[in-house]
Amino acid sequence: GAGVSQSPRYKVAKRGQDVALRCDPISGHVSLFWYQQALGQGPEFLTYFQNEAQLDKSGLPSDRFFAERPEGSVSTLKIQRTQQEDSAVYLCASSQRLTDNEQFFGPGTRLTVL
Amino acid sequence: DAKTTQPPSMDCAEGRAANLPCNHSTISGNEYVYWYRQIHSQGPQYIIHGLKNNETNEMASLIITEDRKSSTLILPHATLRDTAVYYCIVRAQFNYGGSQGNLIFGKGTKLSVKP
Repeated sequence: GAGVSQSPRYKVAKRGQDVALRCDPISGHVSLFWYQQALGQGPEFLTYFQNEAQLDKSGLPSDRFFAERPEGSVSTLKIQRTQQEDSAVYLCASSQRLTDNEQFFGPGTRLTVL
Repeated sequence: DAKTTQPPSMDCAEGRAANLPCNHSTISGNEYVYWYRQIHSQGPQYIIHGLKNNETNEMASLIITEDRKSSTLILPHATLRDTAVYYCIVRAQFNYGGSQGNLIFGKGTKLSVKP
């Protein structure tokens, strides 16, 4: 079956622009996670949802970052007024339940801020 | 969650077993050991997890020491496609009143399988 998909795969933005990154989780998966991965580092947690509820957003680095999942399926990570330090790969993962052992990751969106 | 320590890199000959170590000396009794890997330009992929017993699946085996302070991931017959960064993660099962469901990755071990 289809896995987690993310779009766009690559995004180049000028500093100060707003960007929106989309995640389509596996159908029926309740839990959805966003991670940020800087070059040469492991992924770092940003936020997660159970259905449409955002249960934790403690990893979001600033108030320029905003995530939503209004209908409990597709999620969007929005970054306002992008800065160079926002350049990273943004990974989305889903699991059937929050207690599941396996998270399924998408391929990520590589964001480059010039 | 407890932190883990892994060597930054390892080499392995194709067809041989790859043994990837992980130290997690501060692991708590309710925390599991998970292994994920990330092939270049892809998202991380779940491999295996365990609490205290050794585990085996179609991808790998996980050996956890009796004191649970360290573990080893074993790829029995490494292939070139196993070249990836391997992450050892310690995580408690989600508790609505306590721990979170997110994974805390370190830098992992870059495994290079060579022909």
